[in-house]
Amino acid sequence: NAGVTQTPKFQVLKTGQSMTLQCAQDMNHNSMYWYRQDPGMGLRLIYYSASEGTTDKGEVPNGYNVSRLNKREFSLRLESAAPSQTSVYFCASSESLGTYNSPLHFGNGTRLTVT
Amino acid sequence: QKEVEQDPGPLSVPEGAIVSLNCTYSNSAFQYFMWYRQYSRKGPELLMYTYSSGNKEDGRFTAQVDKSSKYISLFIRDSQPSDSATYLCAMSGPGTASKLTFGTGTRLQVTL
Repeated sequence: NAGVTQTPKFQVLKTGQSMTLQCAQDMNHNSMYWYRQDPGMGLRLIYYSASEGTTDKGEVPNGYNVSRLNKREFSLRLESAAPSQTSVYFCASSESLGTYNSPLHFGNGTRLTVT
Repeated sequence: QKEVEQDPGPLSVPEGAIVSLNCTYSNSAFQYFMWYRQYSRKGPELLMYTYSSGNKEDGRFTAQVDKSSKYISLFIRDSQPSDSATYLCAMSGPGTASKLTFGTGTRLQVTL
């Protein structure tokens, strides 16, 4: 029972480099999310996808792009990494968006350092 | 001022103690209230959720919401070392139950 799987677990980038964080869920969920977690800031929503084929900006989308590749997969891309993007990134999924009985299920995170 | 305030701790208690974790919020539109538990180097996992005001109990855990005071609590009875984790409150308004506003988390350590 894998749930939400994120790759890679750790990554170090130099300023200006690009990378894609991968996320896949096996729970047949419709909605998927990308959050970042920083000390003293809590979890902040970067982008979300209510259903396959749709994506929307969250609270902190600048510097990121996303792709909902299919129902299972939702990737996050950093085109030109900056030190301010050093964070722990969590992918999450839920059965649907905006439903009370549809809690978020999180992956175990990608720890990204930008030097 | 943040929409959701949570004391970061750390909170250290002996095994068997009753733990009280709290969050305050400023947005009166919040209706859905959740508590997530996050172990070190892991993703958050949903512990409990409640709608509007009142109490909800699940085993050793009780979630309480006081909308008039904009205050929510999580009580843990008979705390165990396995309860040592960071506890995140989260909440959202109507129609956006999956677009949550999170507190920063309270780190709890239960000692033997």
